[in-house]
Amino acid sequence: DQQVKQNSPSLSVQEGRISILNCDYTNSMFDYFLWYKKYPAEGPTFLISISSIKDKNEDGRFTVFLNKSAKHLSLHIVPSQPGDSAVYFCAASARTSGTYKYIFGTGTRLKVLA
Amino acid sequence: DAGITQSPRHKVTETGTPVTLRCHQTENHRYMYWYRQDPGHGLRLIHYSYGVKDTDKGEVSDGYSVSRSKTEDFLLTLESATSSQTSVYFCAISEPDGSPLHFGNGTRLTVT
Repeated sequence: DQQVKQNSPSLSVQEGRISILNCDYTNSMFDYFLWYKKYPAEGPTFLISISSIKDKNEDGRFTVFLNKSAKHLSLHIVPSQPGDSAVYFCAASARTSGTYKYIFGTGTRLKVLA
Repeated sequence: DAGITQSPRHKVTETGTPVTLRCHQTENHRYMYWYRQDPGHGLRLIHYSYGVKDTDKGEVSDGYSVSRSKTEDFLLTLESATSSQTSVYFCAISEPDGSPLHFGNGTRLTVT
């Protein structure tokens, strides 16, 4: 069973507009969430994280929102740039249980149109 | 790439042959991970290690074994490669201090 789900395989957005990528999870023990960006032929690179004690974390153009009751998180990119075109993965772990296993979603391919 | 080297970067092998992929880190991180990336499946955890000689299974561990005899090296072995193990394999490292995973650049394995 997929504990972390990204239901949109792809997303196209116009340059300068907002990109919203979504992620849902099923395991209520997850307490730490991360977003990664991946370009072809490279490893995933860390973008931003959020702990379950928060509902929002911001870093420049990137903001992650966490809705624990809905078991949902989203990544907002404002404004979107062509260089943001990549595959985005969300990941989750249950750190307070002493487990440092990170479970990833299936990814969303973002295309930012110039 | 946070001091992570994966070798080889590319490998083609035949069904039934053993294959070992190597991950080497220079960060002295405690945790090391092996993931595979496949279309439609994202990144799936194969095995991970939380210290020298301490390893545990991930989501898709069947057909794979791992070993960690030194902090800096984490080996992934396919005892008898199958075509379903054709994939891109990523190694990652982390510390249990709230820092995120950092990934290597991957090994593309093709089993013919």
